[in-house]
Amino acid sequence: DAGVIQSPRHEVTEMGQEVTLRCKPISGHDYLFWYRQTMMRGLELLIYFNNNVPIDDSGMPEDRFSAKMPNASFSTLKIQPSEPRDSAVYFCASSLGTRINTGELFFGEGSRLTVL
Amino acid sequence: GEDVEQSLFLSVREGDSSVINCTYTDSSSTYLYWYKQEPGAGLQLLTYIFSNMDMKQDQRLTVLLNKKDKHLSLRIADTQTGDSAIYFCAENTNAGKSTFGDGTTLTVKP
Repeated sequence: DAGVIQSPRHEVTEMGQEVTLRCKPISGHDYLFWYRQTMMRGLELLIYFNNNVPIDDSGMPEDRFSAKMPNASFSTLKIQPSEPRDSAVYFCASSLGTRINTGELFFGEGSRLTVL
Repeated sequence: GEDVEQSLFLSVREGDSSVINCTYTDSSSTYLYWYKQEPGAGLQLLTYIFSNMDMKQDQRLTVLLNKKDKHLSLRIADTQTGDSAIYFCAENTNAGKSTFGDGTTLTVKP
């Protein structure tokens, strides 16, 4: 398996523009997570899905952020409109959970977003 | 509540042992983890320990778990420059979700 695949790896945009980050989880994993990493706030959980259903979105900063998982092999995180303070590395991770496994999270390489 | 705390920085000399400490709050956690993040990459699982164990050894890595004090540690023996990275402690707080600490940046000096 190729692992968790994220795109784009890098994005530079201007304030006010819409940003869409994409993620393909590992096939067969039923949990998908979106994290944001910054120097100031560390690693923050934004939202996670189980079987394509959002379970906890309490980490989503505000209404400008939205996430979808239309099927088991694809998820998007959208920021509209983007602001400079959204600049961060956004990670997607997938997992089998702990009911039949150790709950190990497999992370993608991340999408580095810079909002000017 | 869920909170995982760890010190932010650790510096050691090559060949020495490194010990990274972590405290967690959820006594119902079934698994506790150490992840490693190298520059420009995502986190990767380094090792984990099941909550009914108090020690796990894997080559140069030793994990110690004190459930009474909710304390987890990672010892790296014979630390090498390639071990320089950020190390995250995490606890599994329900069937799917893990809570991460802020990460400890380990610097290994030659």
